[in-house]
Amino acid sequence: EIVLTQSPGTLSLSPGERVTLYCRASQSVSSNYLAWYQQKFGQAPRLLIYAASTRATDIPNRFRGSGSGTDFTLTITRLEPEDFAVYYCQQYGNSPITFGQGTRLEIK
Amino acid sequence: QVQLVQSGAEVKEPGASVKVSCKAFGYTFADYYIYWVRQAPGQGLEWMGWINPESGGTNYAQKFQDRVTMTRDTSINTAHMEVNRLTSDDTAVYYCARGVGGTTRYFQYWGQGTLVSVSS
Repeated sequence: EIVLTQSPGTLSLSPGERVTLYCRASQSVSSNYLAWYQQKFGQAPRLLIYAASTRATDIPNRFRGSGSGTDFTLTITRLEPEDFAVYYCQQYGNSPITFGQGTRLEIK
Repeated sequence: QVQLVQSGAEVKEPGASVKVSCKAFGYTFADYYIYWVRQAPGQGLEWMGWINPESGGTNYAQKFQDRVTMTRDTSINTAHMEVNRLTSDDTAVYYCARGVGGTTRYFQYWGQGTLVSVSS
């Protein structure tokens, strides 16, 4: 199975800053089928990005996904207070579906 | 609008079984696979498997193949997931989810989650 490694584990930033989160796959993700989710405490995950770079419905354009093969990134161009949460990547191009361990984005 | 509404929290003893339900609203139930994902306390997300509501066909993650059964009842637009031989490691929030397309394997819609606690 494909192992997804997210980095860093935790980031402490301030609103208004730009941030890039990383997701590295142990082998190439078929068709770049890589998604990103945001999860706040006590809530279900929220889909942000699919197919590596396509924003999901109603996702603000400050969220940008990129990458291919084994290396993917999620960039938030200007952090809003509501963006502080945990972010997960997921690959769905290969079976079984796997998730990264998450990156926690906290307010500095 | 699309909604997935799950059954309530459960407390079980080790060795017991639990059955979690996921009722679909706002779309044609048979047209979209239902996926199950779990999350242990303070941990990440773990895919468990899917069910095709139209055919009843299933696919389980290897880790769960001998302990998990996914079923559906199309008359009430509900998917079920049963986990047998529970241990404390099964304490988690269990989510059902659905993709954008019928077999899409990324998840636009999620249930609210069902907390299953396993303790003696």
